Amino acid sequence: IAGITQAPTSQILAAGRRMTLRCTQDMRHNAMYWYRQDLGLGLRLIHYSNTAGTTGKGEVPDGYSVSRANTDDFPLTLASAVPSQTSVYFCASSDELSGSYNEQFFGPGTRLTVL
Amino acid sequence: RKEVEQDPGPFNVPEGATVAFNCTYSNSASQSFFWYRQDCRKEPKLLMSVYSSGNEDGRFTAQLNRASQYISLLIRDSKLSDSATYLCVVNNARSNYQLIWGAGTKLIIKP
Repeated sequence: IAGITQAPTSQILAAGRRMTLRCTQDMRHNAMYWYRQDLGLGLRLIHYSNTAGTTGKGEVPDGYSVSRANTDDFPLTLASAVPSQTSVYFCASSDELSGSYNEQFFGPGTRLTVL
Repeated sequence: RKEVEQDPGPFNVPEGATVAFNCTYSNSASQSFFWYRQDCRKEPKLLMSVYSSGNEDGRFTAQLNRASQYISLLIRDSKLSDSATYLCVVNNARSNYQLIWGAGTKLIIKP
């Protein structure tokens, strides 16, 4: 592993199903983030984690949950998917607690379609 | 009003030309500013941070105007490989200094 990996690469999901998007980094970064990117909109923060064991809500957290059991992994769960959650999801990490002063490194993204 | 606003473009520019983008932000307390580059269907990658004194990295120059609350990116001698979407990013002073992302400006360099 080099950097950040995400799985799956893409997924088509029936509405109402539960889905977990996986994210793993090998850079030992403190902070990790989940964003969604929709056409015509900037990246929007869903949830973040400043360090293992802590999480926080971003701009659009409703319908999503996260956990940060260790430094490397930061899964995003959709408990009951809805069509408005169709989007491209990016996981990112950075090596500062605040995350805002240093470079954020991104995974390749997961393209999710909810029907 | 969006917190970070960019002209979506596309900017169609001939190879070798100079092109400039602006980005405006709404929160005067913002402290960190960045330009990221995103290629089609790829993840964003940091292009450069933007400092108060302005900074240059090869053909790229970034400027910050705090009084008018805008950030600029200048690309000189543009290359075909500069074709991408350029994302303006500002930290959110109201929300734990998380980053706020502009929707991006699309640049197409033509031979």
